[in-house]
Amino acid sequence: NAGVTQTPKFQVLKTGQSMTLQCAQDMNHEYMSWYRQDPGMGLRLIHYSVGAGITDQGEVPNGYNVSRSTTEDFPLRLLSAAPSQTSVYFCASSYSLQRSYEQYFGPGTRLTVT
Amino acid sequence: KNQVEQSPQSLIILEGKNCTLQCNYTVSPFSNLRWYKQDTGRGPVSLTIMTFSENTKSNGRYTATLDADTKQSSLHITASQLSDSASYICVVSASRGGSYIPTFGRGTSLIVHP
Repeated sequence: NAGVTQTPKFQVLKTGQSMTLQCAQDMNHEYMSWYRQDPGMGLRLIHYSVGAGITDQGEVPNGYNVSRSTTEDFPLRLLSAAPSQTSVYFCASSYSLQRSYEQYFGPGTRLTVT
Repeated sequence: KNQVEQSPQSLIILEGKNCTLQCNYTVSPFSNLRWYKQDTGRGPVSLTIMTFSENTKSNGRYTATLDADTKQSSLHITASQLSDSASYICVVSASRGGSYIPTFGRGTSLIVHP
């Protein structure tokens, strides 16, 4: 049981490049989400999904796309990278969004946009 | 706007001592409050989850309290260990149409010295 996995661990992009951050979980969780963590700020929700085929925007969705074709995978796409997207990205999953279910975080992807 | 404020921003204590971290929130409608521990370079790990009706929850040497009337929570760490050095994050979730949207505090950075 690997939990929540994220790839790559580190990535450097040039402004304007696109890429996909991968996230997978093997716990059969319905709820998955993407956060970014910037110095001096709390984690901020980018996008989330409550099940395969269903996604919704979080607090800071601009510049990011997501899709959920399977229960296991929830990739985050940067369409045209900008320096403001330099951050650490965390993927998380939970069995449900109901009140007391545990939320598990991946190890993070550190992204630098030059 | 939903907000979560944590204090102090950072704290240094000696090994074996106790400490208390604070969390004040203005999140509505309240669903649950969670405390996470985040080691440097890793994703957050859940310590406790409390709903509206719970006013205390323990996890080993960690005890969280919740006062829903004053919208305050605290995390008490007993007999600190070097491994407690980490960032501690308070997260309060609001309910929205069946979903539970989290608001993260900026965290308290705890350093435990031998």
